[in-house]
Amino acid sequence: DTEVTQTPKHLVMGMTNKKSLKCEQHMGHRAMYWYKQKAKKPPELMFVYSYEKLSINESVPSRFSPECPNSSLLNLHLHALQPEDSALYLCASTQRVTGELFFGEGSRLTVL
Amino acid sequence: DAKTTQPPSMDCAEGRAANLPCNHSTISGNEYVYWYRQIHSQGPQYIIHGLKNNETNEMASLIITEDRKSSTLILPHATLRDTAVYYCIVTLGGYNKLIFGAGTRLAVHP
Repeated sequence: DTEVTQTPKHLVMGMTNKKSLKCEQHMGHRAMYWYKQKAKKPPELMFVYSYEKLSINESVPSRFSPECPNSSLLNLHLHALQPEDSALYLCASTQRVTGELFFGEGSRLTVL
Repeated sequence: DAKTTQPPSMDCAEGRAANLPCNHSTISGNEYVYWYRQIHSQGPQYIIHGLKNNETNEMASLIITEDRKSSTLILPHATLRDTAVYYCIVTLGGYNKLIFGAGTRLAVHP
């Protein structure tokens, strides 16, 4: 199993809603990542979890709240988002030895 | 992480080799060169990485200059399905940051 699975694939939410994005991998990887990608731009790193602990936060606004309940699962909790937060949110995982990232297909978020 | 410079776009005829250059003149001795690509509306896909030596796998070859200040990704026989944005990234690897630059948009045409 070499997949990173992200749900939902599409999400539309209002600025007052609370929603969550979910990412799952069963490759035994101990680091997981969240990236944000706007149209025609490269992915921007948001968070890195290593051994279920937050190791990197790229100064992301607090309306984005990551959570890593266990080594296979990564969530991104969303609250009070702005329309400019509309983007493709990508999850990735890696093993330490090779460092190659395995990406999911992303969750496309639209904030109205 | 070292900064990379790539041409914004390139064209390649189907069946020919695609050679994608990347400059990383500030790379440090323990940083790796990674290449990823992103086909439209999909997540990025790992292609290859290297430290000093040239590398080859089933997808591509990576040529790193002796001074490690630049590298070239070679797709030996490009197909239409290789049309994508190609990202060259320099990083320590492991569980460290992977920061994407603007990349090169490769268009493979018949």
